[in-house]
Amino acid sequence: DAGVIQSPRHEVTEMGQEVTLRCKPISGHDYLFWYRQTMMRGLELLIYFNNNVPIDDSGMPEDRFSAKMPNASFSTLKIQPSEPRDSAVYFCASSLMVATDTQYFGPGTRLTVL
Amino acid sequence: RKEVEQDPGPFNVPEGATVAFNCTYSNSASQSFFWYRQDCRKEPKLLMSVYSSGNEDGRFTAQLNRASQYISLLIRDSKLSDSATYLCVVNNAGNNRKLIWGLGTSLAVNP
Repeated sequence: DAGVIQSPRHEVTEMGQEVTLRCKPISGHDYLFWYRQTMMRGLELLIYFNNNVPIDDSGMPEDRFSAKMPNASFSTLKIQPSEPRDSAVYFCASSLMVATDTQYFGPGTRLTVL
Repeated sequence: RKEVEQDPGPFNVPEGATVAFNCTYSNSASQSFFWYRQDCRKEPKLLMSVYSSGNEDGRFTAQLNRASQYISLLIRDSKLSDSATYLCVVNNAGNNRKLIWGLGTSLAVNP
């Protein structure tokens, strides 16, 4: 079975540009999570969805970040405009029925903003 | 106090050694506890859930101490392949349930 799929795997962009990260969760999972990981702050939850509806976006750093989940098999995280401090690894994860159940992670997108 | 705290290490141990990590959590109402493993430049993967009675999976043993609000992970007979970062994960107790992640403990098993 396919796991969580993320694209792109690597993204290098210049400050001010728009960045769109994509995620396909495991089929049948009700919850989708977007995380950001840095050395200093570790793994931070940005936002999560239940059945395509955003439940908690309190971790979204600022208005430059937005996330959507138009259907059960696709989600995007957009940063516009990007800044160098957004450089991090962004993970998408999904879980089956409960937000605090086992989470399955995608391989991540390594974002570098110059 | 951070919600989930771990000793970052690194722990450097020889092959065959026994090593233990502790993790403290601040919310006494937390109900879900996990250990995840993260290899360098890879995604986190579930190592094991932690149950109230303690649980074992091969060389790995997890314990929960609710009174002192900590969980532990014991690795016996360490292998080179155990080298990784071990993330302690606990659920919050707010209206929107979610997992809170520790910064991780780095383990290096040396030949």
